[in-house]
Amino acid sequence: ETGVTQSPTHLIKTRGQQVTLRCSSQSGHNTVSWYQQALGQGPQFIFQYYREEENGRGNFPPRFSGLQFPNYSSELNVNALELDDSALYLCASSLAGGGTNEKLFFGSGTQLSVL
Amino acid sequence: GENVEQHPSTLSVQEGDSAVIKCTYSDSASNYFPWYKQELGKRPQLIIDIRSNVGEKKDQRIAVTLNKTAKHFSLHITETQPEDSAVYFCVSRAGSYQLTFGKGTKLSVIP
Repeated sequence: ETGVTQSPTHLIKTRGQQVTLRCSSQSGHNTVSWYQQALGQGPQFIFQYYREEENGRGNFPPRFSGLQFPNYSSELNVNALELDDSALYLCASSLAGGGTNEKLFFGSGTQLSVL
Repeated sequence: GENVEQHPSTLSVQEGDSAVIKCTYSDSASNYFPWYKQELGKRPQLIIDIRSNVGEKKDQRIAVTLNKTAKHFSLHITETQPEDSAVYFCVSRAGSYQLTFGKGTKLSVIP
């Protein structure tokens, strides 16, 4: 059984640029969620993908978007980067039926720094 | 939306003592309450969870309690060990997908 893997581990961008983060879900999992964790804070829900469709979204603007692929891997895209986007981005996978989220297994995250 | 308050923000205990972390939630529809442990520079890991139809759950040195009426839930760690040092997050789920995390408690176990 493989765990959740994320790439890259670290990334430095400048304000206004665009970034794509990638996540491979744990074997057998069909749902991927993305979270933003600012320094010293708890993770905040960005959105969730189930069966290649977004089925839940937190309080994040449209410049945060995502995709889920047939193999259940996922991407998080952020356009027009702002300084406040600097954070650890965590991907979590789970096995869900009917869209109900059960136990989440997190990846190690991508540390994004926006200068 | 759901709001989760967690206390204390930092907690220091002597090795072998107990540690208690308390949380409150706002949405009465919340039905699932996991706890995550995050060691420095590592991913959050699920350590225990409880559903709204259960008042208490125990797993070795870790126990969680839930009071639905008061919208309180707590994590209890007994016989603490240095490897228990980490940040602990209480979490609630209202609805079918979104997890709301508390701000975390940094637990330090002093040998």
